[in-house]
Amino acid sequence: QVQLQESGPGLVKPSETLSLTCSVSGGSISSYYWSWIRQPPGKGLEWIGYIYYTGITNYNPSLKSRLTISVDTSKNQFSLKLNSVTAADTAVYYCARDRYDVSGIFESWGQGTLVTVSS
Amino acid sequence: DIVMTQSPDSLAVSLGETATINCKSSQSVLYSSNNKNYLAWYQQKPGQPPKLLIYWASTRESGVPDRFSGSGTGTDFTLTISSLQAEDVAVYYCQQYYNAPRTFGQGTRVEVK
Repeated sequence: QVQLQESGPGLVKPSETLSLTCSVSGGSISSYYWSWIRQPPGKGLEWIGYIYYTGITNYNPSLKSRLTISVDTSKNQFSLKLNSVTAADTAVYYCARDRYDVSGIFESWGQGTLVTVSS
Repeated sequence: DIVMTQSPDSLAVSLGETATINCKSSQSVLYSSNNKNYLAWYQQKPGQPPKLLIYWASTRESGVPDRFSGSGTGTDFTLTISSLQAEDVAVYYCQQYYNAPRTFGQGTRVEVK
């Protein structure tokens, strides 16, 4: 069974870049779509974007100007970079794998990592 | 963006009774070429990531108890939890994958009365 694990700094200063990596184990990163989703404390879920293993991306327009999602198939990892962060970017960040047959059904999730934006 | 609106925001149900959660999309998520509704339901317990329960509006994910069922088409959908168990206490989200950006409902909190 595939497992996903987010990693990265838990504290980022305002105006700096938030960087997270999702490590995939128990399965190949190939042939799937991989997504980032976030959840501000006590609030609902927001889709950030996805990357296909070939490198094709689709970003939420609300974040597109600040966002880069990349994939490293040799390491079975994919990553998120969000620049110029503010307190509004404070959230639990989840990585997820989409179902094999259609993008957008998030069938496997990481445990999530809390990122706080504060000076 | 497709706006997903759930009702109610919270509900309390006695153990063994039925919980019903509604989800309305701002536009149809029924794809005419395959007659499928691009609608999923997730369960999130405190301190845990969301768990996929249902996709295609009514298909249960493997391992999900059959007391969870989904129904609806077009813009109106329902998640029904029959015979509520204590372990079903959670927040439930609907989500559309008809187009990008994927969007979620605001969540419905289910508690035991």
